[in-house]
Amino acid sequence: GIQVEQSPPDLILQEGANSTLRCNFSDSVNNLQWFHQNPWGQLINLFYIPSGTKQNGRLSATTVATERYSLLYISSSQTTDSGVYFCAAAGGGATNKLIFGTGTLLAVQP
Amino acid sequence: ETGVTQTPRHLVMGMTNKKSLKCEQHLGHNAMYWYKQSAKKPLELMFVYSLEERVENNSVPSRFSPECPNSSHLFLHLHTLQPEDSALYLCASSQDWQGLGEKLFFGSGTQLSVL
Repeated sequence: GIQVEQSPPDLILQEGANSTLRCNFSDSVNNLQWFHQNPWGQLINLFYIPSGTKQNGRLSATTVATERYSLLYISSSQTTDSGVYFCAAAGGGATNKLIFGTGTLLAVQP
Repeated sequence: ETGVTQTPRHLVMGMTNKKSLKCEQHLGHNAMYWYKQSAKKPLELMFVYSLEERVENNSVPSRFSPECPNSSHLFLHLHTLQPEDSALYLCASSQDWQGLGEKLFFGSGTQLSVL
């Protein structure tokens, strides 16, 4: 099945800094999503982005399907951005299940 | 608030206990999922229900027993668990069975500790 790798595994930022999180996947995808898990465990769906670019406030995401990666950009980071960011992808196989990466742990310091 | 509610938030149980986790979604979705999240591991899909029928069972031990009485409610019945079953159990829903175009919406999870 499809494999999903995320980098970096950990990231520490000062408030106001920008960052880029990366998600590589091993096969073509028809479903790719980014999630944010806050320190209390709640997973929030940030983007559904199997291809192209989307923006939502200070967050934006780009998926280059032909090169098998997706990027999540966080601009002007805030302490509330802290948590774990997960990428999940599905490759359109028989079961078409979303496979999650191991996440990027982000800590934004005031 | 994502529209998916899980109870309880925390649960401590002994290996001989029987307990149940509850999930309710208020989004009008047709598919519901149980995921297990262990420390330092990716989220693992356990079960999927689509229109109240189980469509996915990922080789989960029989000590975990799911139940989906209707498209809004999902339960995970637990019995004779092992300490390694301690984890965050997450419920999710999507409009239809996961696949092309489906966005997942998660609950806050139940943090389970098995003593």
